[in-house]
Amino acid sequence: DSGVTQTPKHLITATGQRVTLRCSPRSGDLSVYWYQQSLDQGLQFLIQYYNGEERAKGNILERFSAQQFPDLHSELNLSSLELGDSALYFCASSVVATSTDTQYFGPGTRLTVL
Amino acid sequence: SQQGEEDPQALSIQEGENATMNCSYKTSINNLQWYRQNSGRGLVHLILIRSNEREKHSGRLRVTLDTSKKSSSLLITASRAADTASYFCATDANQAGTALIFGKGTTLSVSS
Repeated sequence: DSGVTQTPKHLITATGQRVTLRCSPRSGDLSVYWYQQSLDQGLQFLIQYYNGEERAKGNILERFSAQQFPDLHSELNLSSLELGDSALYFCASSVVATSTDTQYFGPGTRLTVL
Repeated sequence: SQQGEEDPQALSIQEGENATMNCSYKTSINNLQWYRQNSGRGLVHLILIRSNEREKHSGRLRVTLDTSKKSSSLLITASRAADTASYFCATDANQAGTALIFGKGTTLSVSS
């Protein structure tokens, strides 16, 4: 158990819908990362927050957004869902935001768009 | 975009054998990390090697790094069935701060 929690574990929804994925980092970790894992694209970095502020953006679509709240939990919002958004979405956290930090991954949310 | 590329894509061995996985990357890095993922589950950090290190050990794991060739290898000695998983290398060399750029992974199957 990494200490990172993600809810829900599974999500099944229809095209065009909007969903919110939630992540609680390890206690004391200030940095949160979101990754998407799909069969064709592999593991892709989406976005990073550090202590409530957006730190870096990766391959995140405009239909996707995220935020980190004062209690440091984070939410990833996916809207106007398409079939291709079906994937595993992982949240990871680290103590700060240096390149030598270990990132601890949550168990993931499996999103299926029908 | 992928930074690291693992080789082979899949590897099947018997318990007790050694497993070697390779990773190549494209741009200069500060460090390189290896992660393990059991089927459909979260990633587990295995080891981090800095760009100024050439070799690192952790239990049955040995990682090497050759920055001149932009490559790394992960050796698992005396493999066990529990080592069956996908293994990913990840680098920090990107314009997105400290996020990790993952390769596509090597799927290791260890049979008893």
